[in-house]
Amino acid sequence: KLQESGPGLVKPSETLSLTCTVSGGSITSSSYYWGWIRQAPGQGLEWIGSMYYSGNTFYSPSLKSRVTISMDTSRSQFSLMMNSVTAADTAVYFCARYDYGDFNFDSWGQGTLVSVSP
Amino acid sequence: SYELTQAPSVSVSPGQTANVICSGDKLENKYVSWYQQKPGQSPVLVIYHDTKRPSGIPERFSGSNSGDTATLTISGSQTMDEADYYCQAWDFSNVIFGGGTKLTVL
Repeated sequence: KLQESGPGLVKPSETLSLTCTVSGGSITSSSYYWGWIRQAPGQGLEWIGSMYYSGNTFYSPSLKSRVTISMDTSRSQFSLMMNSVTAADTAVYFCARYDYGDFNFDSWGQGTLVSVSP
Repeated sequence: SYELTQAPSVSVSPGQTANVICSGDKLENKYVSWYQQKPGQSPVLVIYHDTKRPSGIPERFSGSNSGDTATLTISGSQTMDEADYYCQAWDFSNVIFGGGTKLTVL
């Protein structure tokens, strides 16, 4: 199970910070990456980035300059930080488990809405 | 950058077969996954590795991938299948999603 947490409201130009807590399985499993995906209101899914427990990380080219994904294996958590946010970053943010052997996200959190507004 | 293209919407009558198409350059060389998303819910994986069904996904869901086109087929569509469907592939360290197709069953 994956559960997102973090502020639901962020001011423009500030930093968005979210955490995903993983339960019922090991975040250090050799089979999985752990990722973030977002969905703006009424829009499709957009991949943000994914991280392996060893530290290997991949980011969307369009967001790479503003995004950092990190992991705390002792807490079974991984986090997303996105700086210099604008209204265009308003979205539901999902964390998910990526099976890199099968190239898919096989387990998703419920998602959390983050609004960027003054 | 690699792109996956989907039609915005598809309509089908209950009991009929629905085909949701995903297009990309030489897509057959990549593994395609499909997700179902109902309003207010998280996406659910329904097909992976082009043709495989995760445990718990009904047999009426099937997939194929050839040339530049991957297809999600829902045989005997039910009203509960009405949802948005997204294709997804992996391309040189990037995860790519299609724009999504809204399936209407009525």
